[in-house]
Amino acid sequence: KQEVTQIPAALSVPEGENLVLNCSFTDSAIYNLQWFRQDPGKGLTSLLLIQSSQREQTSGRLNASLDKSSGRSTLYIAASQPGDSATYLCAVDPRGSQGNLIFGKGTKLSVKP
Amino acid sequence: DAGVTQSPTHLIKTRGQQVTLRCSPKSGHDTVSWYQQALGQGPQFIFQYYEEEERQRGNFPDRFSGHQFPNYSSELNVNALLLGDSALYLCASSSGTGNEKLLFGSGTQLSVL
Repeated sequence: KQEVTQIPAALSVPEGENLVLNCSFTDSAIYNLQWFRQDPGKGLTSLLLIQSSQREQTSGRLNASLDKSSGRSTLYIAASQPGDSATYLCAVDPRGSQGNLIFGKGTKLSVKP
Repeated sequence: DAGVTQSPTHLIKTRGQQVTLRCSPKSGHDTVSWYQQALGQGPQFIFQYYEEEERQRGNFPDRFSGHQFPNYSSELNVNALLLGDSALYLCASSSGTGNEKLLFGSGTQLSVL
């Protein structure tokens, strides 16, 4: 059974710091992996999607990497800003049907001015 | 384009009652997936609808049922509500193909008293 774990559960950093969020999964047979952002009480916004054949994806100050063989992904945020404060979730798609995504519990990030 | 629209935004029910949540997918999307997110947890997949049929289902009891209409909008019905059904219910839409970012609505916050 696929399980997704995110470490740390919470992270507080000063503004301007570079940071890394970690995601691990137990079954390497995935179709893709997505990183999402969630603001309190709101829906999810997809930040980056990495296909199983890819190693990384970049969007602005965000960079996500994927190592299928070791079951790990990282989300790197450069020059963090207070507006980056949110919960970040990773999710794996086992079949590519965009349906049964399996999520971690998320990392709650707080960026202090 | 309004993206994914969910209604209502908040709902309060009592144990044993029934509830219906609604979702309109993004224009051009034909696949709708529903997720339940308890406080402090990652979303859990309930089911996915495509061409008015349930295509995939997660590990949820039969009290959870759904429907998709010809215009691709969808409903989630929950019967015999339990206190544990209190959660944020999220709808996501896609075109159903593999490597595409999933688009989520803002969710319906259900409280069962």
